[in-house]
Amino acid sequence: EAQVTQNPRYLITVTGKKLTVTCSQNMNHEYMSWYRQDPGLGLRQIYYSMNVEVTDKGDVPEGYKVSRKEKRNFPLILESPSPNQTSLYFCASSSRQGAGGYTFGSGTRLTVV
Amino acid sequence: AQSVTQPDIHITVSEGASLELRCNYSYGATPYLFWYVQSPGQGLQLLLKYFSGDTLVQGIKGFEAEFKRSQSSFNLRKPSVHWSDAAEYFCAVAGRSDNDMRFGAGTRLTVKP
Repeated sequence: EAQVTQNPRYLITVTGKKLTVTCSQNMNHEYMSWYRQDPGLGLRQIYYSMNVEVTDKGDVPEGYKVSRKEKRNFPLILESPSPNQTSLYFCASSSRQGAGGYTFGSGTRLTVV
Repeated sequence: AQSVTQPDIHITVSEGASLELRCNYSYGATPYLFWYVQSPGQGLQLLLKYFSGDTLVQGIKGFEAEFKRSQSSFNLRKPSVHWSDAAEYFCAVAGRSDNDMRFGAGTRLTVKP
């Protein structure tokens, strides 16, 4: 089944403790992206990647890192999480420049205390 | 940069009534346009998309949307709403020369019995 898999689904952590949210897609998509969803703000792009070893900042990249060493994986790294990064995170992938529409993962609800 | 406005934060309709969700976009040329639906606790699912050609596009679950260039709008419609349509709906726009998909803030749909 074609899908984007994120892990974990839920995560509670403490301020400053490094964490990684994994994202993997099995559709051989070139494009992958991370979004955060906050009430009243919709989805805001954090980082995106147009292919292996090619990443770029979205609208809200501060406090996040990404890497794209393999086509299928696009992990999101929070080196020193803070409470304002409490949010619902989505990973998405697409076969072309957004034209195919994104396939989204099920989301990761992160709480930073 | 492109942007999307969904003027209605929350809409309530009765089951069986018609539905129209509004979406206005800002973009220098003709973008790719999308509607996504998010059920509670779920990721986003693509309902329909517009690339070019016929300005009335059909999607899944009985939804359709009409692209109106003169009004920079891409409104979503359904002739008869079902209780299972209660969800949050997001309009999105993507440029044809980049991978920068922008989302509206979303419209939450409540369906009354």
